[in-house]
Amino acid sequence: EVQLVESGGVVVQPGGSLRLSCAASGFTFDDYIMHWVRQVPGKGLEWVSLISWDGGLTDYADSVKGRFTTSRDNSKDSLYLQMNSLRSEDSALYYCAKDLRYGFDYWGQGTLVTVSS
Amino acid sequence: QSALTQPASVSGSPGQSITISCTGTSSDIGGYNYVSWYQQHPGKAPKLMIFDVSDRPSGVSDRFSGSKSGNAASLTISGLQSEDEAIYYCGSYSTRSAPRVFGGGTKLTVL
Repeated sequence: EVQLVESGGVVVQPGGSLRLSCAASGFTFDDYIMHWVRQVPGKGLEWVSLISWDGGLTDYADSVKGRFTTSRDNSKDSLYLQMNSLRSEDSALYYCAKDLRYGFDYWGQGTLVTVSS
Repeated sequence: QSALTQPASVSGSPGQSITISCTGTSSDIGGYNYVSWYQQHPGKAPKLMIFDVSDRPSGVSDRFSGSKSGNAASLTISGLQSEDEAIYYCGSYSTRSAPRVFGGGTKLTVL
């Protein structure tokens, strides 16, 4: 059974940093592109970033480019999102998701990030 | 402002069929057969219902079907059931500002 479990979401001050983690199981992690997608509670989905199977390629939404960095450790079946220079508009539920042909076939339960003073 | 445009809400009675539209451009829906649809119940993570425009993942009911024409895609749910009440999001590969884009979501109410 595929499982994605995010962690690391907390309350952080504007300008602060945070690292999210996503532990994967139930599939061959290093065969797949992985994504981060966020959702402000009560609002829609926003794609945040992707990383290739080997970590050699990353891409980011314009809203986070230059502030967020996604990485992976295939030896630990884990995905990460380093978030710097956080803003109030970054407050959201952050999901990690497994890629399937340019869509997302499995999602974690999400981890909540709140940026507030 | 979402990259893809969906109606805010649709409704139908049990047993009826409904269709949710999703409009994009030639840089996303119109240019590639990589449209996907997601169902999200309150407090839950999104669930993939359709990928590659019209393919269903294993375990998804055949009451759910997808199609595309030009720059627009559609999700049709036939034989509506109460458990279908949820928010539905479309998604697509894109060569515009981001490689993956979503619609704003459509709330389906089963009357």
